[in-house]
Amino acid sequence: DADVTQTPRNRITKTGKRIMLECSQTKGHDRMYWYRQDPGLGLRLIYYSFDVKDINKGEISDGYSVSRQAQAKFSLSLESAIPNQTALYFCATSDSSGHTGELFFGEGSRLTVL
Amino acid sequence: GQNIDQPTEMTATEGAIVQINCTYQTSGFNGLFWYQQHAGEAPTFLSYNVLDGLEEKGRFSSFLSRSKGYSYLLLKELQMKDSASYLCAVIMDSNYQLIWGAGTKLIIKP
Repeated sequence: DADVTQTPRNRITKTGKRIMLECSQTKGHDRMYWYRQDPGLGLRLIYYSFDVKDINKGEISDGYSVSRQAQAKFSLSLESAIPNQTALYFCATSDSSGHTGELFFGEGSRLTVL
Repeated sequence: GQNIDQPTEMTATEGAIVQINCTYQTSGFNGLFWYQQHAGEAPTFLSYNVLDGLEEKGRFSSFLSRSKGYSYLLLKELQMKDSASYLCAVIMDSNYQLIWGAGTKLIIKP
């Protein structure tokens, strides 16, 4: 089983619908992140959380919200999806006590907004 | 502003050596990652450099020059499975905030 699990892996939805992407991890890491990836662009940070009570906006948080339900769970919501939110979304974790701060990624959630 | 530059695409031959460059201009620097990403899959960690010099790990090596804002990933004895995108990322600060390059797509030909 994957250490960082994302659901759903693929989702097609319509403009205006509410969508939730879920992420859970068994690595015991304290830090969790949501990124989106678009062709020709680097990974862009949407939100990150360094602990259960800590939520921070990334560079492209508009139109998104998150919830850190537990240390192991971090969900991303699109309240009213729009076509330019069509992208590949990755959840990632890291360990603040680690030497490098290396990120461990989930397998990705491909979202298509029609 | 923050910026990381990598070539968009490179082609190499199976069994050969390829060097993928990464240049960066960032307001902070606490280290540099290289990740490998196969199409449609998650990025996976390859290397970490924080001091100048070469870090070797099997067929892959990564080099860093902080004064030049430059890193490269060297892949030796290329195999078909090395066809992937290679992502360079700079750690901006002590909280490990990252800025990512757009990635270099490496195509391996027989």
